[in-house]
Amino acid sequence: SYELTQPPSVSVSPGQTAIVTCSGDVLGDKYVCWYQQKPGQSPVLVIYQDHRRPSGIPERFSGSNSGNTATLTISGTQAMDEADYYCQAWDSSTAVVFGGGTKLTVL
Amino acid sequence: EVQLVESGGGLVQPGGSLRLSCAASGFTFSGSTFHWVRQAPGKGLEWVGRIRTRADSYATAYDVSLKGRFTISRDDSKNTAYLQMNSLKTEDTAVYYCTRRNYHDGIGYYDYWGQGTLVTVSS
Repeated sequence: SYELTQPPSVSVSPGQTAIVTCSGDVLGDKYVCWYQQKPGQSPVLVIYQDHRRPSGIPERFSGSNSGNTATLTISGTQAMDEADYYCQAWDSSTAVVFGGGTKLTVL
Repeated sequence: EVQLVESGGGLVQPGGSLRLSCAASGFTFSGSTFHWVRQAPGKGLEWVGRIRTRADSYATAYDVSLKGRFTISRDDSKNTAYLQMNSLKTEDTAVYYCTRRNYHDGIGYYDYWGQGTLVTVSS
C-alpha cells in the first residue's frame, strides 16, 4: 500500500519560515492536500491541489509538490500556527492516504 | 452555514456493534460525497471509507484493513450519512470524523469536517 512519510516534529521561531515535508513514491504525480489540526479540534484544510489555499487561509501558507516530496511552507510563522499538520493524497486504487502528521512547535 | 454533526459514539464491548450518524446542513447533501476518517487517541488521521452520490450509484470504498466489518450508507431524504461498525475491536477506539469531499478542476479535497464522535471499545 502507498505510504506518506512526515517528520514527527518541526520547530520554528516566531516570524521565521517553517517547512513541513511529506514524502512518497513519485508523490509529484499525485495531488496533495494539507490539513492543520489543533488540540481538541477537527482538521482544517490549509492547502489543496498541491498549492491552492482555501478561502480564509492566510497567505503565509503555501505548498508545492515535485518528485517524491510535497512541502508545506509557513512564512512568518505565528504562535497560532502551532498545530499538527497532515499531508494527504489519493492512491491509484482510490484509497485515501494520510501522512503520519508533523507537530509544529513555535518556540 | 455548512455543518456536519456526528453522533452515535460511546462505549461498546469488543465484538459489539455501533452505528454513527453524520447529519449535514447548509449545502446540497445529495450532491456530495462523504468520507469517514478516524483518529485513535494521540495518533494520526486514518481513512475509513467513503460513499458517493446517487449519480455514482452510491458506490462505497473502504480501507482494506477493515476487512468488511464497516459499512457506509446514506439517506439523502434525511441529509444523513451513516457508518455501521460491526465486530468492533479495541483498536477501533478513536474519534470518528465525517467529512465532505469537494472538487476543484476534478481534484478532490476535504473542505468540511464534523466535530467528531468518540468510540471506545473496551470490556
